[in-house]
Amino acid sequence: RKEVEQDPGPFNVPEGATVAFNCTYSNSASQSFFWYRQDCRKEPKLLMSVYSSGNEDGRFTAQLNRASQYISLLIRDSKLSDSATYLCVAHDYKLSFGAGTTVTVRA
Amino acid sequence: EAQVTQNPRYLITVTGKKLTVTCSQNMNHEYMSWYRQDPGLGLRQIYYSMNVEVTDKGDVPEGYKVSRKEKRNFPLILESPSPNQTSLYFCASSNREVATEAFFGQGTRLTVV
Repeated sequence: RKEVEQDPGPFNVPEGATVAFNCTYSNSASQSFFWYRQDCRKEPKLLMSVYSSGNEDGRFTAQLNRASQYISLLIRDSKLSDSATYLCVAHDYKLSFGAGTTVTVRA
Repeated sequence: EAQVTQNPRYLITVTGKKLTVTCSQNMNHEYMSWYRQDPGLGLRQIYYSMNVEVTDKGDVPEGYKVSRKEKRNFPLILESPSPNQTSLYFCASSNREVATEAFFGQGTRLTVV
């Protein structure tokens, strides 16, 4: 079983829509979690860290549920520029990446 | 400027010809790792290193070697490349503290014919 699993999508949404997706992790010892964004096979870049209390950064909200071992990302008021692959990361002593969720925002 | 530098960015080579992809970071990070990315499979870890002279296998280490003689460098070595190693490779570094961000190199597109 992979350490981090994501719904690959694709999620195809109109501009202005809200889109949300989850990622599950298998290692209960994982201590930190992140969402990275990757554009067209360029290098991944940090989107946001994920905290137990949930955190928000503009139109993006991340949530961590330790009991069920999943992380979520919600994007409100989607923009065309949000089209990308979103990678979920669990960090214990090494970084474990999910395969990514593809989001396409259409005009 | 904080960065992770990979070279080369693009490489086409022939089966069996040894090659090295270099990775260097200027942030004094202890942790470095190599990933390969293939369509539909996401980022898969090849090897990682927690510090100088400490390396460990990731999920897909077969056919690869690494070394960590200095903190800043973490080269990936393909002793005898094969076509199934055609992929997009990323090097990453971070502090060992788990709450810190990982920084990625720009990637190396390798084709083995």
